Amino acid sequence: DSGVTQTPKHLITATGQRVTLRCSPRSGDLSVYWYQQSLDQGLQFLIQYYNGEERAKGNILERFSAQQFPDLHSELNLSSLELGDSALYFCASSVGTYQNEKLFFGSGTQLSVL
Amino acid sequence: DAKTTQPPSMDCAEGRAANLPCNHSTISGNEYVYWYRQIHSQGPQYIIHGLKNNETNEMASLIITEDRKSSTLILPHATLRDTAVYYCIVRTPGKNNAGNMLTFGGGTRLMVKP
Repeated sequence: DSGVTQTPKHLITATGQRVTLRCSPRSGDLSVYWYQQSLDQGLQFLIQYYNGEERAKGNILERFSAQQFPDLHSELNLSSLELGDSALYFCASSVGTYQNEKLFFGSGTQLSVL
Repeated sequence: DAKTTQPPSMDCAEGRAANLPCNHSTISGNEYVYWYRQIHSQGPQYIIHGLKNNETNEMASLIITEDRKSSTLILPHATLRDTAVYYCIVRTPGKNNAGNMLTFGGGTRLMVKP
């Protein structure tokens, strides 16, 4: 158990819908990262937050948005869903933003868009 | 981030040492080498990381060449549960409070056989 909690574990929805994925970081961790893993793209970095502020942006679509709340949990919002958005979405956390700090990953949310 | 090159797949006999190579010829002096693994569709799991010196922990050993252009992850006594995709990642330090994510490549699919 990494200490990073993601809910829900599975999500099935239809095209055009909007969903919210939730992540609770390990106790004491201020940084949260979101990753997307699809069969053809591998693990892709989406976005990072540190103590409520956006710190880095990767290959995140405009239809996707995220935020980190004062209690440090984070939510990833996916809207106008398309079939291609079906993927595993992972959240990770670390203490801060230094490069020698480990990232701990949650068990992921499996999103299926039908 | 510096790119890494790993063999796409490797086999190892159970109980033997698994040696997973990684080339990172464009690595800079301040970039760390990280190893993660992903078992089936679980969240990536941290294994080990290092900057210049060889490192060892309860899971594995990391051998970094003197010129830092390549490294080897060693699992001393591989078990069936070590079957996974292993990712070698070179991590760039964040600049000016910028983010500091991990960029995953294709990894090596290690199959441990009885």
